[in-house]
Amino acid sequence: DVKVTQSSRYLVKRTGEKVFLECVQDMDHENMFWYRQDPGLGLRLIYFSYDVKMKEKGDIPEGYSVSREKKERFSLILESASTNQTSMYLCASSYGTTNTGELFFGEGSRLTVL
Amino acid sequence: AQSVAQPEDQVNVAEGNPLTVKCTYSVSGNPYLFWYVQYPNRGLQFLLKYITGDNLVKGSYGFEAEFNKSQTSFHLKKPSALVSDSALYFCAVRDTGGFKTIFGAGTRLFVKA
Repeated sequence: DVKVTQSSRYLVKRTGEKVFLECVQDMDHENMFWYRQDPGLGLRLIYFSYDVKMKEKGDIPEGYSVSREKKERFSLILESASTNQTSMYLCASSYGTTNTGELFFGEGSRLTVL
Repeated sequence: AQSVAQPEDQVNVAEGNPLTVKCTYSVSGNPYLFWYVQYPNRGLQFLLKYITGDNLVKGSYGFEAEFNKSQTSFHLKKPSALVSDSALYFCAVRDTGGFKTIFGAGTRLFVKA
């Protein structure tokens, strides 16, 4: 069965801390994505990657960076967490070098920044 | 720029009645369209997609959606709602030229027994 695993379901961090959110997929998918979900705003794309070591900015990349050193792993980094980054973070992956594939999502990481 | 509108924050329907969750979209080229469902405290699950071909698309759990190019709509439907269909539903669009998928704000569906 297809699986996208996010290492932490719930995190509480302090303002200014560096935060790492890890995502691993076991489907050999080429494409991986990070979204944040906020009530009334739906999902907003932060960054995506269509190959190892490749990354593209989404709609809200400010305050975030990403790393993809291996095909199965895509990390989201908050260099200096702020309270407005309190949110649900969703990782997703999709197959193929064509762009017709649906997204497979992890369970989400709920981050609270105090 | 791509965008998706889900005009209803919430849809209420009685069990056994048909349901419709509305979605309209805007893309510069041809669209790929998707519906996802989210149950409480879970990630999103794929329901169905329109890529090309027949405008009526059938998906998981008895859901279907109709692509209407002239109205730029992709409404989600089910002939007979179940209480277990109660969840948050997201419509999403992707331009055929890229990988970026844009989501609507979501519509919460309540099915009453």
